[in-house]
Amino acid sequence: AQKITQTQPGMFVQEKEAVTLDCTYDTSDQSYGLFWYKQPSSGEMIFLIYQGSYDEQNATEGRYSLNFQKARKSANLVISASQLGDSAMYFCAMREGQTGNQFYFGTGTSLTVIP
Amino acid sequence: DAMVIQNPRYQVTQFGKPVTLSCSQTLNHNVMYWYQQKSSQAPKLLFHYYDKDFNNEADTPDNFQSRRPNTSFCFLDIRSPGLGDTAMYLCATSRVDDQPQHFGDGTRLSIL
Repeated sequence: AQKITQTQPGMFVQEKEAVTLDCTYDTSDQSYGLFWYKQPSSGEMIFLIYQGSYDEQNATEGRYSLNFQKARKSANLVISASQLGDSAMYFCAMREGQTGNQFYFGTGTSLTVIP
Repeated sequence: DAMVIQNPRYQVTQFGKPVTLSCSQTLNHNVMYWYQQKSSQAPKLLFHYYDKDFNNEADTPDNFQSRRPNTSFCFLDIRSPGLGDTAMYLCATSRVDDQPQHFGDGTRLSIL
């Protein structure tokens, strides 16, 4: 079974609108971490936001927020007020296990912001 | 200022010719990771070091080796590259292994 599932290969959003990128995960561990990364066409991976499995509140970092629904095992990324520079690949990732040795990426969602 | 630096940014090498990719960090992080990312795919973890402790992923080919001579540097050695090893190679660090990883800009490796 896939550890991280991103069902949207590509998404389009109008500039200044909000967009939600979906991520579901599969784990039987009680302690895990969820991450979102942005990868522009230049290739570097940029950390955006983190949610720990024991965090009760949804994580927020500027225009990024993580909609964490533990019972559904989903960790969707919400980008508010989209900008042209947000066009990139977005990867959801999970750190699993007490020692954090297991780290899994989803297949990514390509986001295009339309002027 | 770049905190995880990978050299070179682009590398072209011949089939079967050994190649070494370099990663250095100024963050003094305990953990360093190497990922392989093929075109339009997710990054795949090859191995990581927790300090000097080496952890190899079960499906990482024997052709891939790594060295970490000190906290700041980590190398990826590909002993006999094949055409299928053409990919982006990403180095990342984290303070401890449950913290967000900070990535370098990657090395795009092409095997001819």
